[in-house]
Amino acid sequence: DAGVTQSPTHLIKTRGQHVTLRCSPISGHKSVSWYQQVLGQGPQFIFQYYEKEERGRGNFPDRFSARQFPNYSSELNVNALLLGDSALYLCASSVGQSNQPQHFGDGTRLSIL
Amino acid sequence: SQQGEEDPQALSIQEGENATMNCSYKTSINNLQWYRQNSGRGLVHLILIRSNEREKHSGRLRVTLDTSKKSSSLLITASRAADTASYFCATDLIQGAQKLVFGQGTRLTINP
Repeated sequence: DAGVTQSPTHLIKTRGQHVTLRCSPISGHKSVSWYQQVLGQGPQFIFQYYEKEERGRGNFPDRFSARQFPNYSSELNVNALLLGDSALYLCASSVGQSNQPQHFGDGTRLSIL
Repeated sequence: SQQGEEDPQALSIQEGENATMNCSYKTSINNLQWYRQNSGRGLVHLILIRSNEREKHSGRLRVTLDTSKKSSSLLITASRAADTASYFCATDLIQGAQKLVFGQGTRLTINP
């Protein structure tokens, strides 16, 4: 079975641009979460979506937004990119029930010039 | 702010030795999870331990949880070169969202 897939794997943008990152969850998983991992740090929670509804939002500015589609895939959008947005963006899926693990994709490496 | 703190930040041992990593956290949790991350890759789920459990095993991995001390440990026995990676603990807080709060990780190096 396919794991969590993310696209693109790498992306280079300049300050002020916007970016859209995509995630396909494991088949049967209804929950998708997004995390930002800056080099040398642990991942930081950005959003969780379950059944197309936002369930949680981390401490990120409104430049960050996301949505989940009827097939449970998800997009993360970031507007007005800043140098500090350079990071590995990780998507994780789960069945959405309590006490279930999250399964991560390999991430999108975003570099802002 | 980080909920979990791993200790040590870096650990280097010889192949075949055991590796122990510790994690402390600050608030009540629903469960605690350990993940492994190879350089530049995604996180691989290792073990989930619920707040009402004290110990769990999976192959060469042993995880303990002490909710009174708000701490957990991950033991890897008979380490192999392939175990070289960063290890993170993540707490799933008692909230509506399935939000994992990660520590900064322990960088484990296994020397052949």
